[in-house]
Amino acid sequence: NAGVTQTPKFQVLKTGQSMTLQCAQDMNHNSMYWYRQDPGMGLRLIYYSASEGTTDKGEVPNGYNVSRLNKREFSLRLESAAPSQTSVYFCASSPRPIQETQYFGPGTRLLVL
Amino acid sequence: DAKTTQPPSMDCAEGRAANLPCNHSTISGNEYVYWYRQIHSQGPQYIIHGLKNNETNEMASLIITEDRKSSTLILPHATLRDTAVYYCIVRVNTNAGKSTFGDGTTLTVKP
Repeated sequence: NAGVTQTPKFQVLKTGQSMTLQCAQDMNHNSMYWYRQDPGMGLRLIYYSASEGTTDKGEVPNGYNVSRLNKREFSLRLESAAPSQTSVYFCASSPRPIQETQYFGPGTRLLVL
Repeated sequence: DAKTTQPPSMDCAEGRAANLPCNHSTISGNEYVYWYRQIHSQGPQYIIHGLKNNETNEMASLIITEDRKSSTLILPHATLRDTAVYYCIVRVNTNAGKSTFGDGTTLTVKP
């Protein structure tokens, strides 16, 4: 039981490049979330998926898109990366729809030059 | 969602109890108090949550005042591995779509 896994662990992009961050959970959880954490700051919610087939915007959705591919997987896409998107990205899941008890992945460190 | 206030930092001696306070004076009747922690560079880890009764699990105890305007997370015997940022969140249990973690309290456990 791996919990929540994220790939890649670290990525460097040039401004304007695109990439997709992958997240998967093997706990049969209904809801999944994407957060970003800037240096020295708390986490901010980007997008979430209350259940398979649904997605909703969080606090800071601009510049991102998401796909809930199936119950296990929730991906985050940056279409045209900007230096302001340099951050650590965390994926999380929760057992019941949009329940606060969340389980987090190890994070993806993204640097946009 | 109710706003929370936590001290930015605290120290604790190894082996002693760490008591982390959180003020949430505008909490509503259906809002829970949640605690997470984030050890350096790792993803946040759920610790405990409660509505109005005190709660205890293998990691910590949560004491909520009778008026529910504040709470305290207690780590009974702090170890060096408990050094982390601790986040207090107040939210309706089914409204995680509003999730945003504040700045938290940086707890440093010293030998």
